[in-house]
Amino acid sequence: DAGVTQSPTHLIKTRGQQVTLRCSPISGHKSVSWYQQVLGQGPQFIFQYYEKEERGRGNFPDRFSARQFPNYSSELNVNALLLGDSALYLCASSQDPNTGELFFGEGSRLTVL
Amino acid sequence: QKEVEQDPGPLSVPEGAIVSLNCTYSNSAFQYFMWYRQYSRKGPELLMYTYSSGNKEDGRFTAQVDKSSKYISLFIRDSQPSDSATYLCAMNRGGGADGLTFGKGTHLIIQP
Repeated sequence: DAGVTQSPTHLIKTRGQQVTLRCSPISGHKSVSWYQQVLGQGPQFIFQYYEKEERGRGNFPDRFSARQFPNYSSELNVNALLLGDSALYLCASSQDPNTGELFFGEGSRLTVL
Repeated sequence: QKEVEQDPGPLSVPEGAIVSLNCTYSNSAFQYFMWYRQYSRKGPELLMYTYSSGNKEDGRFTAQVDKSSKYISLFIRDSQPSDSATYLCAMNRGGGADGLTFGKGTHLIIQP
């Protein structure tokens, strides 16, 4: 079975631009979460979606938004990029959104210049 | 005080040694505890998953949770060079709305 797939794997943007990151969960998983991992730090929670509804949001500004589609795939959008948004963006899927047993993809590495 | 504290290391041990990795936390509401392994420039891989206090063993890995002390551990027996990676502890309250809270990760090096 395929794991969590993310695209693109790497991208470079300039300050002020907008970016869209995509994620496909493991087959049968209905919950998708997004995390930001800055170099040398643990991942930080951005959003969780379950059955196309936002269930949780971390401490990130409104420039960050996400959505989940009927096939349970998801997109993360970041507007007005700042240098500090440079990070590895991780998508994770789970069968049960309540327990925290998450399976992560390889991530999308964003560099903002 | 951060919610989850984890020594970033690096921790360097010889091949075959028993490795002990630890995290402390401050939020007594945490109920689910996980250990992830992350190789350089890759996504985290779930190693161990436990609910509440107690021990769980899977092959060379043993996870321990002591909720009274707010302390969790991961033990790796017969360590191998392929175990060299960053180990992240993570936890949450359950319910899903607040996501996982991660430690910074411990960089482990197994010397051949």
